[in-house]
Parts: sequence; structure tokens; C-alpha cells
Amino acid sequence: GENVEQHPSTLSVQEGDSAVIKCTYSDSASNYFPWYKQELGKRPQLIIDIRSNVGEKKDQRIAVTLNKTAKHFSLHITETQPEDSAVYFCAASSNYQLIWGAGTKLIIKP
Amino acid sequence: DSGVTQTPKHLITATGQRVTLRCSPRSGDLSVYWYQQSLDQGLQFLIQYYNGEERAKGNILERFSAQQFPDLHSELNLSSLELGDSALYFCASSVLEGHNTGELFFGEGSRLTVL
Repeated sequence: GENVEQHPSTLSVQEGDSAVIKCTYSDSASNYFPWYKQELGKRPQLIIDIRSNVGEKKDQRIAVTLNKTAKHFSLHITETQPEDSAVYFCAASSNYQLIWGAGTKLIIKP
Repeated sequence: DSGVTQTPKHLITATGQRVTLRCSPRSGDLSVYWYQQSLDQGLQFLIQYYNGEERAKGNILERFSAQQFPDLHSELNLSSLELGDSALYFCASSVLEGHNTGELFFGEGSRLTVL
């Protein structure tokens, strides 16, 4: 079946440094790639998404890049802050559904 | 506040029992999705309804069922509960029909504990 692999499962970075989370997908027809952030004990919330006709999208300190040929997309967070600590989920559309990655726990060290 | 309301927030029950989780989507949203999240696990898609009709099915057990009512609220019924059903159950809604077309708005979740 369709699959989305997300790496790493845990990422620890120094406050102020950048963080990069990578996802690969298997369905070449996938055309929508959202990223959700879930803080501890809270609901997932969309932080950024990208469609297949765009290679990169930025929103302040957050950016997402998409490589359709290689079938992978990445989340980039610059100048990390304590409030960036959370679990991040990527997802890819497939047959009118979203296939989710397993999540990355981002830890920001002071 | 996402605008999606889930009740109850917490529920403790025993194995073999049956529970019903309720979700009210955002005003105007026609799609409702149910997800299961076990402790420190990812989001497992269970089922989607659009305007009262089942649209997509994920890894939903036969012991589980759901429906969406004419007023668009949805209920997830879990029966013959097992210890492994203990999890956080999220409801999400969106205005569009497809899972792949836009933002999902999640509720705060219903935490089910099966003893």
C-alpha cells in the first residue's frame, strides 16, 4: 500500500539552530503535502502545506521543499525556539486520503 | 479553538464494554474524520464521512463503527472494548470532500482508558 516514511523519529537541536525533518512517499500521484505540529497533550495543527505544482513554500521561520522526482519533501525550521518543541507529522495525499508519517519528536535544547 | 467539539474529553471503562464518542464539526464543514492515536504513536486514520455518507475507510476494526447525522455531527461507536483500544481519539473536520484538499481542523480529542 501507499507509504510515507518520516525521519528522524527524534531530533534534538540547540536553541537557535535549524531543524530539518524529511519524508518520502510512494504514490507518484500524490499532490498535496501538509505538515502538522502536535504539542504535548494538544491537538495536531496545520503549520504549512505544499502542493505538487510548487517546489518550495515559506512562512516566516518555517519552509517546506518538495522534490517530486525523488518523491520526498522536507520541513525546515530556522532559528529554533523553545515553543518549537513538539511532534511534527508529515502527510501525503493518495487516493483522496492522507497517508501520515510516524512523526518526529523535536526537542529544543536551551 | 479549532471550532471542532468532542465529547467526552475523558472516558474510563472496562473491557468488553461499549462507548460512544461524539464530534461536532466546525460550522459549515461537511467532512468529518476520525483518528486514533495510541500513546506516543502516530495518527491512525479510521474513517471519513462527507455530508452524511461514508467516504473513506482506514484501519478501522469491525468492532468500531461510525455515522454522520443530518446535522453533520458524528459519532464513533467502540464495542467489545479491549485494553489495546485505550487511546486518544481525534475528530477532525474540513469544508471539502477530499482528504487531500486542505486543512483538517482537529478537536481536542477524547481520551479513552480501558481497564
